Amino acid sequence: SQQGEEDPQALSIQEGENATMNCSYKTSINNLQWYRQNSGRGLVHLILIRSNEREKHSGRLRVTLDTSKKSSSLLITASRAADTASYFCATGGNTPLVFGKGTRLSVIA
Amino acid sequence: GAGVSQSPSNKVTEKGKDVELRCDPISGHTALYWYRQRLGQGLEFLIYFQGNSAPDKSGLPSDRFSAERTGESVSTLTIQRTQQEDSAVYLCASSKGQGPVLTFGAGSRLTVL
Repeated sequence: SQQGEEDPQALSIQEGENATMNCSYKTSINNLQWYRQNSGRGLVHLILIRSNEREKHSGRLRVTLDTSKKSSSLLITASRAADTASYFCATGGNTPLVFGKGTRLSVIA
Repeated sequence: GAGVSQSPSNKVTEKGKDVELRCDPISGHTALYWYRQRLGQGLEFLIYFQGNSAPDKSGLPSDRFSAERTGESVSTLTIQRTQQEDSAVYLCASSKGQGPVLTFGAGSRLTVL
């Protein structure tokens, strides 16, 4: 069964706007990761946040984690057309990573 | 190699035929994963190899699916008697030890007619 569930399923914004995607999960985790997928092919790791961290930044990415609510958010600031992709959260514990269904982001130039 | 390599990148087969998909992980990565992704869907875990331990096969959807890995190198995913519902992109990923970050290959797109 899938652990993470992203929300929304699809998001369309104008270039320059910020994009926020959310992920909810069900059980305890050691860490949570976000991955990006272009054109239905291989995923690329973006950022990892550990269960004892609340916020993490990497370039234009900001990830938050609320373990009490079992949720995480990914914020992409000043979006670009090249950010158009699907974004997945993945939760890790003692089992192989479990991925959500993803948020499909479209950034319109 | 520099990245995870998968072959073939595309495979079209007829219903009932067997197919083999290959994955070459990054050298030194002891963990190897297979996932399946149907069109517009998320990733579905299939099988996980870690070093010389017994593989975690809990995600294999039926006994038509099997996978092998030679030591800490190449892995082959075999689908016997393919069905149309097997059509998907099959993604392989590897990681160093039990490190949480996965490096994915570009996937093998399987189409069963």
